[in-house]
Amino acid sequence: SQQGEEDPQALSIQEGENATMNCSYKTSINNLQWYRQNSGRGLVHLILIRSNEREKHSGRLRVTLDTSKKSSSLLITASRAADTASYFCATDAPSGGSYIPTFGRGTSLIVHP
Amino acid sequence: DAGVTQSPTHLIKTRGQQVTLRCSPKSGHDTVSWYQQALGQGPQFIFQYYEEEERQRGNFPDRFSGHQFPNYSSELNVNALLLGDSALYLCASSYRGIRTYEQYFGPGTRLTVT
Repeated sequence: SQQGEEDPQALSIQEGENATMNCSYKTSINNLQWYRQNSGRGLVHLILIRSNEREKHSGRLRVTLDTSKKSSSLLITASRAADTASYFCATDAPSGGSYIPTFGRGTSLIVHP
Repeated sequence: DAGVTQSPTHLIKTRGQQVTLRCSPKSGHDTVSWYQQALGQGPQFIFQYYEEEERQRGNFPDRFSGHQFPNYSSELNVNALLLGDSALYLCASSYRGIRTYEQYFGPGTRLTVT
């Protein structure tokens, strides 16, 4: 079963609008990461937020983490057509002393020019 | 500085055959993880190699095996291919010395089993 689940499954917006994606997970985590994937290619690491952090920024990206609700959100401000991609959250689930990233099914974002 | 590279890019095999996929990690990285991504799904963790040993394994059958070489590159082998093995296979590298395990992914190998 998936540790992280993104919501919504798909999101369609106009260029310039903000896009918000959410991720919920089930067990305690060490950290949570967001990745972007363009059209079935490799994943690109966007941002990592540790379990003791509540908010993190990187350029037009803003990530929040609420460990009490076991949820995270990714906000992309002033979206561009080039932001069209699938976005995945990955949580590090403890496993035998190591941490294995577990991915959700992703949110498909389409930004219309 | 080369990132993670994978070969081949695409591969078509017949059911029952065996396949080997290759991965070279990002410079400075010593840990390689393999993922299977079916169409429309998120990547599923297969296994992770560090110091030439399999350290962690996901819920995949023994038909999936791997190897890591002294130069940290890695191979993924799949025996007795099934139609359901058709997927994008992603390799990711990281440096185990840091706790955050930030991973860098390669472009993937698209495997089609007919």
